[in-house]
Amino acid sequence: DGGITQSPKYLFRKEGQNVTLSCEQNLNHDAMYWYRQDPGQGLRLIYYSQIVNDFQKGDIAEGYSVSREKKESFPLTVTSAQKNPTAFYLCASSIGYSNQPQHFGDGTRLSIL
Amino acid sequence: KQEVTQIPAALSVPEGENLVLNCSFTDSAIYNLQWFRQDPGKGLTSLLLIQSSQREQTSGRLNASLDKSSGRSTLYIAASQPGDSATYLCAVRRGRDDKIIFGKGTRLHILP
Repeated sequence: DGGITQSPKYLFRKEGQNVTLSCEQNLNHDAMYWYRQDPGQGLRLIYYSQIVNDFQKGDIAEGYSVSREKKESFPLTVTSAQKNPTAFYLCASSIGYSNQPQHFGDGTRLSIL
Repeated sequence: KQEVTQIPAALSVPEGENLVLNCSFTDSAIYNLQWFRQDPGKGLTSLLLIQSSQREQTSGRLNASLDKSSGRSTLYIAASQPGDSATYLCAVRRGRDDKIIFGKGTRLHILP
């Protein structure tokens, strides 16, 4: 079935370490997104990409980096510069038109050791 | 700046009741509004999307309405079931190529 796969489901990071969260979609969607969700908070946009080899910063891009080398993949790297990385990270995708709903993966929960 | 508010933050109702979840937004100039469901530890599932030119959308026991002039949307759930227990989030897109602004959600618990 078509969908979005995020891996791993749980991830632990040591101080000063970079970690990469994987997001793969087989929906043939042009646009992909990364959100961060903290307890009791709405989703906040980290980065988004509307086409391959192009991406834009969202509201909270500091301490994060992304790449979009392939249409189906949009990995997120949480760098050591992100001082409060503990959160639930959600990847989403949509057809390139904004009147279409976003489809979400099941998320990756990142914790600090 | 567009802000999306969902009140109450949590709601418990007996099984079988009809219920309404509320969403308000501060800027009435929106492109569309979307309702999502989120189960614990999971991603979001899109329930209904209402374009700015529409007044409502229906899917099964769910009906979402949109009143742009008052900056409000409601999600009506008919004949609630325990399986409806989840967090429901409202999200507004400001413009065609703009980002989506999410509310914090309403955590719904249907009592068996």
